[in-house]
Formats: sequence, structure tokens, C-alpha cells
Amino acid sequence: QITLKESGPTLVKPTQTLTLTCTFSGFSFSTSGVGVGWIRQPPGKALEWLALIYGDDDKRYSPSLRNRLTITKDTSKNQVVLKMTNMDPVDSATYFCAHRPRFAGNLLTGYTYFDYWGQGTLVTVSS
Amino acid sequence: EIVMTQSPATLSVSPGERATLSCRASQSVGNNLAWYQQKPGQAPRLLIYGASTRAPAIPPRFSGSGSGTEFTLTISSLQSGDFAVYYCQQYNNWPPNTFGQGTKLEMK
Repeated sequence: QITLKESGPTLVKPTQTLTLTCTFSGFSFSTSGVGVGWIRQPPGKALEWLALIYGDDDKRYSPSLRNRLTITKDTSKNQVVLKMTNMDPVDSATYFCAHRPRFAGNLLTGYTYFDYWGQGTLVTVSS
Repeated sequence: EIVMTQSPATLSVSPGERATLSCRASQSVGNNLAWYQQKPGQAPRLLIYGASTRAPAIPPRFSGSGSGTEFTLTISSLQSGDFAVYYCQQYNNWPPNTFGQGTKLEMK
């Protein structure tokens, strides 16, 4: 059974760096094509894909946010970490991590859907 | 840049009836389209991928159709647990992995 869970601060100040951790179980990065992505959702708004990382450490980023995002993984801990710099109140959202299945979409481009999602963690940016 | 447009924004349907939700892409995405269901306070749930393939454990009353730029999610015989927000997502074009704005399916 695949599960994912996000953790991190619920409140960050403007200009600070947000660090979120996704801890997962039920799958392994050693499986070719498997990945973990981050998606966010401002209150009452639509979903926005942020970043994706594969088991071979290949990474993909949203073009509109790539300068602010860093995604890494710790395979030994079954964790994926997302860092977002220079936080602003408009970045207030629920942040989800999700599993990319092995044969979804296009491995090379990072175009994919997500089949298992964490419960999400709400992050508020305010001074 | 691709844009995903869902219609209607809100759809009111009675339990037991059929619901038809639309998703339009501003350029062709082939059949690289997914549908998700999201209930308040919950994560999205994958319903359909490849435009028409049901995800595991998704009941057959959910069906997806379409290709290119026009897609439809049909829910036959609505049950109380089906009232939620539904999102389409393309995974074929730049920018990657873009979602529609959602359709809220509410009980009539």
C-alpha cells in the first residue's frame, strides 16, 4: 500500500525559505520510472504542479517557479524534500506530495499524472 | 502555453442522474489527460488517466472520453459521495502537468 505524508511549518514569514518533507512508504525509488512530485493548492483555487524527482535523481521543475525551487531525496529515509525560497503571501497554500507511477506520461519530459497523494499540509505566509 | 478550461464551473445534478463534465485544451494533448476528484479537506483522487482508463478501484460509473482538445468525464447514476470538485490535468504539453480550474459538482 502506497502512502505519503507531508510535514513542515504551518507558518512562514515573507522572504523566508520554506522546507517541506514528504515521507513515503509502499514503493521504492529503485523502481525505474517511479517519482515523487509536489503540487500546491491555494485556498479555494486550483492545483499547481511544482516539481518532480526520479529515483536516478533526475529533476523537473515548474518553469514559472524553477528559480525558487529545489527538490531532493533521501532514499535511505524514504523522503523527498522541497525547498522554496523567498516566500510571499501568495504562496500560502496546501502543499501535496504525490507518487508518479512507473509508466505514466513521458519519463524524459516529466509530463505525468499522479496516482497516490499525501493528505497535504497547509502553509501560511504572513508576518 | 497550454491552457485547460473546464466547464461548467458548477454543475447541479440530482442523485441517480448522470453528470457530464467537460475539459478543453487550448492545443492538442493527444490522450494524455487525467481526471481527479477532490472532496473538501482531502487530497485529489485519481479517477482516469490516458483520457479513458479508470484508475484501480474506481467504479465503472466513472468514464472518460475524448482526445486531442475535447474531453469528457461522465458519472452515471450519481451517488452522494460523488459530489465534489473535479479537475482535469494534461501531461503532454508545455508547461508541464497543468490543471484545469475545476468543476464543482453539487447536489440539486
